[in-house]
Amino acid sequence: EVQLVESGGGLVKPGGSLRLSCAASGFTFSIYSMNWVRQAPGKGLEWVSSISSSSSFIYDADSVKGRFTISRDNAKDSLYLQMNSLRAEDTAVYYCARSYCTSGSCYFDYWGQGTLVTVSS
Amino acid sequence: DIQMTQSPSSLSASVGDRVTITCRASQSISNYLSWYQQKPGKAPKLLIYGASTLQSGVPSRFSGTGSGTDFTLTISSLQPEDFATYYCQQSYTTLGYTFGQGTNLEIK
Repeated sequence: EVQLVESGGGLVKPGGSLRLSCAASGFTFSIYSMNWVRQAPGKGLEWVSSISSSSSFIYDADSVKGRFTISRDNAKDSLYLQMNSLRAEDTAVYYCARSYCTSGSCYFDYWGQGTLVTVSS
Repeated sequence: DIQMTQSPSSLSASVGDRVTITCRASQSISNYLSWYQQKPGKAPKLLIYGASTLQSGVPSRFSGTGSGTDFTLTISSLQPEDFATYYCQQSYTTLGYTFGQGTNLEIK
């Protein structure tokens, strides 16, 4: 069974840093691209960042570019999101999601349960 | 950036109704469009990808159509478990997997 379990969320002050982790199991992690998606309280979904299977390609939303860094450790079946210079508007539930790629495009077929990040003084 | 606009933003319907949700892209995205269902407090669930391909395990009352800029998600006969928020997402460009703003489907 595919499982994605996020951790590392919590309360942080504006300007602070946090590192999220996503532990994967039930599939061959090293051959899948992975993603982070967030959802502010009461709001819609926002794609944050994507990383290819070997970390060769990384894409970030403009809203987090230069502040957030996605990475992965295939030996540990883990995905990470290093978040620096956090702002109040980064407050959200952060989900990791697996990419399913077919016919020239990719879709998010499995999602974790999410971890809440709250940025507040 | 490619913008995705869903309509309506909210919808009230009854069990057994046929419901259609529309998603429009700001530029052509071929058929690189997916639909997700999200229930309160839960992670989104992939329903349809490639505009019209049903994800494994998703009931056949869900269907998707469209290509280019205009897409629809149809639920042929609403069931109680279908009341949720639905999102479309474009994956035409890896530079930004944009989601629509969501459609909240409520019980009438």
